[in-house]
Amino acid sequence: AQTVTQSQPEMSVQEAETVTLSCTYDTSENNYYLFWYKQPPSRQMILVIRQEAYKQQNATENRFSVNFQKAAKSFSLKISDSQLGDTAMYFCAFSKEGGSEKLVFGKGTKLTVNP
Amino acid sequence: GAGVSQTPSNKVTEKGKYVELRCDPISGHTALYWYRQSLGQGPEFLIYFQGTGAADDSGLPNDRFFAVRPEGSVSTLKIQRTERGDSAVYLCASSSGRGVGETQYFGPGTRLLVL
Repeated sequence: AQTVTQSQPEMSVQEAETVTLSCTYDTSENNYYLFWYKQPPSRQMILVIRQEAYKQQNATENRFSVNFQKAAKSFSLKISDSQLGDTAMYFCAFSKEGGSEKLVFGKGTKLTVNP
Repeated sequence: GAGVSQTPSNKVTEKGKYVELRCDPISGHTALYWYRQSLGQGPEFLIYFQGTGAADDSGLPNDRFFAVRPEGSVSTLKIQRTERGDSAVYLCASSSGRGVGETQYFGPGTRLLVL
């Protein structure tokens, strides 16, 4: 079974600064996908960024980028130029290729961006 | 529709009662997922539909939980003889179902409180 671990229950950052959220996972699969979702107080889970395991190049989406280390099974999220609207819970998630492709989530990191 | 919708937003019921939670996926999405998110935790997979059929129900905790998707669009999660431990946010997600590693788009969830 796959597991996802987020070791930072809470983090804070000053507006305009950079912050990195950690995520590690455990799997014996070779083909899989990794995701970071954001959940603001409204409860709506919003995809932040997605990484395909067979791609060595790290994914980027505007101010968001990942550091994907396949051998270490690590998938961290870097948020640059943090904004107040980035305040939310952030969940790292894993899905293996094929089958239901259900998401396995970590417990989340609560990020607060301070003015 | 523009996004995944779920009704009701909140549901309060008494122990032992029956509840139904509804999910309306993005139009044209054949894959539909239900997850349960307990307080302070990441979402946990319950069931996956591809079209009308439940292709993976391995996450349903017991036989009090059941879900249907009779016409391959709207899905209903049904919980019989509710228990206080069923209190959680129930999230629905959909994806197009046409590829692998696709993004799942989430609804705002239904918060269930069993008294």
